Amino acid sequence: GAGVSQSPSNKVTEKGKDVELRCDPISGHTALYWYRQSLGQGLEFLIYFQGNSAPDKSGLPSDRFSAERTGGSVSTLTIQRTQQEDSAVYLCASSLVSSGSYEQYFGPGTRLTVT
Amino acid sequence: GDSVTQMEGPVTLSEEACLTINCTYTATGYPSLFWYVQYPGEGLQLLLKATKADDKGSNKGFEATYRKETTSFHLEKGSVQVSDSAVYFCAQVTTDSWGKLQFGAGTQVVVTP
Repeated sequence: GAGVSQSPSNKVTEKGKDVELRCDPISGHTALYWYRQSLGQGLEFLIYFQGNSAPDKSGLPSDRFSAERTGGSVSTLTIQRTQQEDSAVYLCASSLVSSGSYEQYFGPGTRLTVT
Repeated sequence: GDSVTQMEGPVTLSEEACLTINCTYTATGYPSLFWYVQYPGEGLQLLLKATKADDKGSNKGFEATYRKETTSFHLEKGSVQVSDSAVYFCAQVTTDSWGKLQFGAGTQVVVTP
C-alpha cells in the first residue's frame, strides 16, 4: 500500500518568505508527527497530531511555525518569514496509535533551503 | 531531562567485521527503545525495537537488548555487509509522551569491501 508522502521534495526559498510543507499519512493512521533533521540539531520533534487536534506542540521552535491537520488526514506545516536557520529536512511520520508499541512510518522528507 | 546518547561516528569497518554501536538512555519510567536506519538518499526506517526490559529486538541480522540495569540498548551485528552502510539512530519513546520519538545524534557506519 501507499506509504507516507510529502511534498514538495525540495524547496528553495528566500529569507523572509512563507513556505508550506505537506504530509499525506498512511490511510487510517490517526497519529501524525512532524520532525526536523538538521546538521546542527540532529532529529528533533516538532508537533504531534491525534486526529485533527495537536495535544503536543512543544517542539515548535518559534511562533513562526504552525501546523494543521484536516479531516484526520493531510497535514500542513507552515513556516512564516523563513530564516536561514530554518534550513533542514522536515520529516513527517504516521502511526496507528500514539504509543511506543506502534511503529511510526516516515515519509521521504522535504528538504528546505532558505537563501 | 530525558535523553538518548549514542557513540559518535563515523565508524568504518571492513566487510564481515563485527559492529557494535553503543546507545544509552535517560528517562523517567520505562521507555520503549528503537533503532532506526537511514540508508543513503532514503528515509528513516525502523530497524528493530524493544518495549520492556530484557526484550531483544532483531532484524536483518542486527540485534539489541533492552538493559534496564545499565540503561542501554546497544546495536550489534556479527558480520556486516557493504549494504549496511548507513546512519543508525537510537531512539526512545517515554511514557506519557504521545508516542513521540526522542533520537540520539546518529552514527554513520561505512562498510568497505
